[in-house]
Amino acid sequence: SQQGEEDPQALSIQEGENATMNCSYKTSINNLQWYRQNSGRGLVHLILIRSNEREKHSGRLRVTLDTSKKSSSLLITASRAADTASYFCATDANTDKLIFGTGTRLQVFP
Amino acid sequence: EAGVTQFPSHSVIEKGQTVTLRCDPISGHDNLYWYRRVMGKEIKFLLHFVKESKQDESGMPNNRFLAERTGGTYSTLKVQPAELEDSGVYFCASSLAHPGNTIYFGEGSWLTVV
Repeated sequence: SQQGEEDPQALSIQEGENATMNCSYKTSINNLQWYRQNSGRGLVHLILIRSNEREKHSGRLRVTLDTSKKSSSLLITASRAADTASYFCATDANTDKLIFGTGTRLQVFP
Repeated sequence: EAGVTQFPSHSVIEKGQTVTLRCDPISGHDNLYWYRRVMGKEIKFLLHFVKESKQDESGMPNNRFLAERTGGTYSTLKVQPAELEDSGVYFCASSLAHPGNTIYFGEGSWLTVV
């Protein structure tokens, strides 16, 4: 069964605005990770949040995790055109493998 | 420190041919993973090595796919014979002891089967 679903599928904003992406999953997890993929490029790790953590910050990124709702959100503040990419959440579901969400395509207009 | 490197970055082959993808993990990472994304679908797990041993190969689609990691360093993923539906991007990733550590991905090998 599909583990991760992201919402929205696509998001378009202006530079300077904040972007919020949500991820839901179905089973218990150890960790949840967020990745970015620029068009035609590889996956870049953004942030890892453990199941016993509720919020984590890294630069302009803020990730929250609600294990009771089995959901996470990624907030990018003061977005830039360079943030244009696809963003994926991935959970480990108590196994050695990551289960990826469907991704959110973010477009930031200058 | 070098990240996860993959070769080739792009490959176009004809149906029925063979392609071998190579992955060099981050030095010191015992865990090595292969994932793929085909036809714009989700990124899906293929298999996981711990050093030279296959820990989990439940995601390998069929016996046309063969992964090896001799010596526990770099890994290869061979597709033989390639089919049209194998087109997509193949990602390699590595990590220190799992679970709980960041999994780092390479740039991917973009495969097109025509």
